[in-house]
Amino acid sequence: QKEVEQNSGPLSVPEGAIASLNCTYSDRGSQSFFWYRQYSGKSPELIMSIYSNGDKEDGRFTAQLNKASQYVSLLIRDSQPSDSATYLCAVAPSYNTDKLIFGTGTRLQVFP
Amino acid sequence: DAGVIQSPRHEVTEMGQEVTLRCKPISGHDYLFWYRQTMMRGLELLIYFNNNVPIDDSGMPEDRFSAKMPNASFSTLKIQPSEPRDSAVYFCASVLNPGNTEAFFGQGTRLTVV
Repeated sequence: QKEVEQNSGPLSVPEGAIASLNCTYSDRGSQSFFWYRQYSGKSPELIMSIYSNGDKEDGRFTAQLNKASQYVSLLIRDSQPSDSATYLCAVAPSYNTDKLIFGTGTRLQVFP
Repeated sequence: DAGVIQSPRHEVTEMGQEVTLRCKPISGHDYLFWYRQTMMRGLELLIYFNNNVPIDDSGMPEDRFSAKMPNASFSTLKIQPSEPRDSAVYFCASVLNPGNTEAFFGQGTRLTVV
């Protein structure tokens, strides 16, 4: 079982819709969770971090964490073509909180 | 700060040759990570350093790979001998506090081994 799992996609949504990206993780004791965005040919950059159960909102982005079910999700409201990218989920596992383990990423396509 | 600087940006080499990738982290960041990214396997952690000391190299695929951090401002990842399956994008990331702060990635080195 992979430590961090994501559906590779592509996830295609129309402009203006809500995009929902999901991630599951295997280490139940993990406490730190991150969403990175990576445009084609570029390096990953941080969008959001979340540490507590529930929702965390930042502009059009909402991260959701459910530790009991071991999943973390990212919602993008009012999706724009410029949101088209690969979204990487990252987790710092409890056995070594210095490590950042990434999922394989979900490719999002927002069409006009 | 100019951010994390990696060199070269692109490297094409023949199988069997030695390849050295370089990284300059952000000043003041105590942690440096080396990742490899491929379509099939995504972003894999190879090794990371804390205060120039290698902490976890369990992700290094085999003995052909080695990494060093001789000082706080420089790290290298070496592959000797290189093989076609090593072709990937190699990223270096610099972090102040991995559990709580952002990992800043360099632009990556695209390695092609022919």
